[in-house]
Amino acid sequence: SQTIHQWPATLVQPVGSPLSLECTVEGTSNPNLYWYRQAAGRGLQLLFYSVGIGQISSEVPQNLSASRPQDRQFILSSKKLLLSDSGFYLCACKGVNTGELFFGEGSRLTVL
Amino acid sequence: GEDVEQSLFLSVREGDSSVINCTYTDSSSTYLYWYKQEPGAGLQLLTYIFSNMDMKQDQRLTVLLNKKDKHLSLRIADTQTGDSAIYFCAESYTGTASKLTFGTGTRLQVTL
Repeated sequence: SQTIHQWPATLVQPVGSPLSLECTVEGTSNPNLYWYRQAAGRGLQLLFYSVGIGQISSEVPQNLSASRPQDRQFILSSKKLLLSDSGFYLCACKGVNTGELFFGEGSRLTVL
Repeated sequence: GEDVEQSLFLSVREGDSSVINCTYTDSSSTYLYWYKQEPGAGLQLLTYIFSNMDMKQDQRLTVLLNKKDKHLSLRIADTQTGDSAIYFCAESYTGTASKLTFGTGTRLQVTL
């Protein structure tokens, strides 16, 4: 079964600084990959998804971008962080059976 | 568009049954899911139900689906303190990327 690794687990960054969150997947090939954000006290918002290398779809306009340089690597980036970018970022991989998503352990970003 | 709603908080006594409710809007949903999130962690898939089913039971978990009312519930029998977490329902959004739309999550508190 798939294993999703995210790092860093925790990050504190000043406003205006860049961001790079990484996600790698093991145990599968050519997966659909997703970035979700969970703001404090709120549900999960889909930010980006990717169905293959170099293919990125954005769900909401925002200050963030995503890239997929390799089959099992998904990166979330920003050139200049905003306070509103604070949150818990979850990477997910689609399962092969019923379309369920498997999640990583998340990266908690605090922008000060 | 899709919308998934849940109540925010539920408190039950240890040993009682918990019932977490969810309503959704996308009548073309194929699968509906329940996820559990423990503090500071990613989401763990608990169970899912195919849209042509009314009920699914898995050990202490019972999922009921009322497709006419677009209502999904998760019943946890003999609730334990280890069940304290946030529970998310999600529906599959039909499409090639199999995106999931999540509810806001219900925080379950189990008291002694």
